[in-house]
Formats: sequence, structure tokens, C-alpha cells
Amino acid sequence: GENVEQHPSTLSVQEGDSAVIKCTYSDSASNYFPWYKQELGKRPQLIIDIRSNVGEKKDQRIAVTLNKTAKHFSLHITETQPEDSAVYFCAASSPSGGSYIPTFGRGTSLIVHP
Amino acid sequence: DVKVTQSSRYLVKRTGEKVFLECVQDMDHENMFWYRQDPGLGLRLIYFSYDVKMKEKGDIPEGYSVSREKKERFSLILESASTNQTSMYLCASSLANSLGYTFGSGTRLTVV
Repeated sequence: GENVEQHPSTLSVQEGDSAVIKCTYSDSASNYFPWYKQELGKRPQLIIDIRSNVGEKKDQRIAVTLNKTAKHFSLHITETQPEDSAVYFCAASSPSGGSYIPTFGRGTSLIVHP
Repeated sequence: DVKVTQSSRYLVKRTGEKVFLECVQDMDHENMFWYRQDPGLGLRLIYFSYDVKMKEKGDIPEGYSVSREKKERFSLILESASTNQTSMYLCASSLANSLGYTFGSGTRLTVV
């Protein structure tokens, strides 16, 4: 099965700095890579995703890059703000019976200091 | 907006009790999932279901069972709760052949 490694487990930055979270995956059949943000006491919510036919995707201050050859993908947050503080999960998934069952990383706790 | 509703936000049960965690979604999603979330371990899949009365084991099914008698409802059952099942439990749903997941708000279960 798929194995997703996520680093770092904790990331502390000053407001305005950039933050980068990295993930690796093992199954070359994986072709969809979502990122979820979970604020304290709330449900995980999808913030950005990328499919394997694309190398990079941006949405305002967040971007995701994918290197299929190396089997790694990263989340980049620029100009961090205190409201970016949360736990971030990466995931990798491939079709299984017509549906996608993601395997999640262990999460990164991002702390943005004002 | 899809809603995935978990019946209890917090639950305290005694060791050996039979525990039911309920999840209901209102958008006719075919797929439903139960995850367990523990600090440092991320989200681990317990069971999932593609359709009514269908179930598949995830990565950590031991000690759990599920029931899906209606399309909108997916129940997680702890036959005999143990303290190592103290955790946050998250339900999720998605359409068949869809990439998107919607999570519920979670049930924090404490077994004493």
C-alpha cells in the first residue's frame, strides 16, 4: 500500500516569513495529492490539490509543487499570517474501484508568531 | 454546501461498553469513511463503504466494525471499548469517482 512521509512535524515561523512542508510517497500509481488544513477544534478542510499531470499549482499565497520522478510534493505558504496557524496534512491517492482513497501524512503543526 | 454531521462532539464511555458513533451526510454521497486521528499519527483509515451494505477494511480495523443500512448514514461500532481507543474520530464522505472529501467535525471519544 501507499506510504506518505511528512516533514517537519512542527514548524514555527515569524509572521511574514515563508513556510514549506514536504511530503514523499511510495506508490507510483498515486496521481492525486490534496492538502488539508485543520484549525484547532475544527474539521480538516481542503486548501489546495494537484494532479500528477501538473508540476505546480498556485492559489494566492499558497502553492504546491510535485516531482513525480522523485515522488515528493511540497506545500509553500508565503507571507504567513497568524491565521495560517493550524495542522496541515498532505495526502496521496490513486483510484481504487473508481474512487480515491487518500493516504495521509502524519501532519505538520504550523505556528505563525505575530 | 455538503454537510457531514457526527452525532456527538464529545463522548465518555467505560471500558467494555459497546459504543456507536454515528455519521450522516446530506448530499447523496456514495462513499463514506471513518478515520481515527491521534497526535503525531495523522489520520488513519478504519473502515470505508462504497455503497449501502458494503464495507471495506482500512488500515486499522481491529476492534471496530461498521454498519451502512442507509446511504446517508455510516456507523462505527466499538464492540467492547478499550482505553487505547480513546481518540478523535472523523467521518468523511465523497461522491463516487470524485476526488473531493468532506469531513465531519469529529467525535472525541474518551474510554475510562
